[in-house]
Amino acid sequence: AQSVAQPEDQVNVAEGNPLTVKCTYSVSGNPYLFWYVQYPNRGLQFLLKYITGDNLVKGSYGFEAEFNKSQTSFHLKKPSALVSDSALYFCAVRDLYGQNFVFGPGTRLSVLP
Amino acid sequence: GAGVSQSPSNKVTEKGKDVELRCDPISGHTALYWYRQRLGQGLEFLIYFQGNSAPDKSGLPSDRFSAERTGESVSTLTIQRTQQEDSAVYLCASSPRGRGTSGYEQYFGPGTRLTVT
Repeated sequence: AQSVAQPEDQVNVAEGNPLTVKCTYSVSGNPYLFWYVQYPNRGLQFLLKYITGDNLVKGSYGFEAEFNKSQTSFHLKKPSALVSDSALYFCAVRDLYGQNFVFGPGTRLSVLP
Repeated sequence: GAGVSQSPSNKVTEKGKDVELRCDPISGHTALYWYRQRLGQGLEFLIYFQGNSAPDKSGLPSDRFSAERTGESVSTLTIQRTQQEDSAVYLCASSPRGRGTSGYEQYFGPGTRLTVT
């Protein structure tokens, strides 16, 4: 069965510093991996995805994520955090056969001015 | 173009009443998903429709919950005899493709906030 772990409930980072939000997954075969962001009182917005190809994926708002097959990880990163990046971040996985999406529990990111 | 829309945006109901929540997916999206999100929590999968195939109802928490979708259009989620623990935000998402080799992401609606008093 597919599963996604986000080991940190909360990540705090100072504005201007680099940020990392961690995600590890378990899936049969090759995964499709996604990151979504949820701002307060809003639905989820797609940030980026890994399907195939380069392990480093670039997405919206300056975010990027690195797929590491050996560590089964897909950590979300940004070189310089903004206060406006403060939100709830979800990692999701889908296996090669297009079964249902499985979401992680979410990580709350707080960027402090 | 238009995104996924949901109505109502907010619904307050009394315990024991039935409620219907509506989702309009992006035109042409064959897959449609319903999720429940309790305050400050993650997403709880409820049900998944893919075209005219039988829906995946494995996430529905009880027989008080049901959902319908006609073809690739609007979906309604119905909760009968609502309970206080049903209070949550109900999110709908659609995707261009469902089962099969698909790397398509989901597009989420803004959600319906349900409060059961």
